[in-house]
Amino acid sequence: EAGVAQSPRYKIIEKRQSVAFWCNPISGHATLYWYQQILGQGPKLLIQFQNNGVVDDSQLPKDRFSAERLKGVDSTLKIQPAKLEDSAVYLCASSPLGGEQFFGPGTRLTVL
Amino acid sequence: KQEVTQIPAALSVPEGENLVLNCSFTDSAIYNLQWFRQDPGKGLTSLLLIQSSQREQTSGRLNASLDKSSGRSTLYIAASQPGDSATYLCALANAGGTSYGKLTFGQGTILTVHP
Repeated sequence: EAGVAQSPRYKIIEKRQSVAFWCNPISGHATLYWYQQILGQGPKLLIQFQNNGVVDDSQLPKDRFSAERLKGVDSTLKIQPAKLEDSAVYLCASSPLGGEQFFGPGTRLTVL
Repeated sequence: KQEVTQIPAALSVPEGENLVLNCSFTDSAIYNLQWFRQDPGKGLTSLLLIQSSQREQTSGRLNASLDKSSGRSTLYIAASQPGDSATYLCALANAGGTSYGKLTFGQGTILTVHP
């Protein structure tokens, strides 16, 4: 069974630029999560999708972050404009409804 | 609001030792608890998942316990090996509410097993 796929694996941008991350969850998983992990900390949930609907985006900085999940499968997370404090690893995870979460390899973002 | 604390923040042990990692949480209304392993520069690998109704789970040299009444979970690693060196994260999914299944993570324990 293929795991959660993410791209790119690494991204370096200047502050105020925009960036987008892509996630392909495990086939059949209804729930998709985006987490932000700052160095030395545990991951923090940014947004949770159930199929193609948003369940929780309470910790998403909506003035600069946006996310969508088209057709209830793939998802993209966008940052525009990026700030220095957005430097982190962005992790995508998926699960069957209420089940165990499986994580992708993450995208390491560096904002200069 | 669920808060998760992991102790110790870092642990260094010689190969072969048995060790215990601790996780405490403030809200006992949980759906499940997961222990993850994270290698440097990598994503998270799920090690064990304990449902709210369970007390422990075992996989190979790993054993995780859950005590909701005291708000604690432990991860026991038997006969540690250098390959066990990684960051170990505890995460809880709260029961009910609109963010069903959302995980709240601790800050992790960095484990180093030296030969």
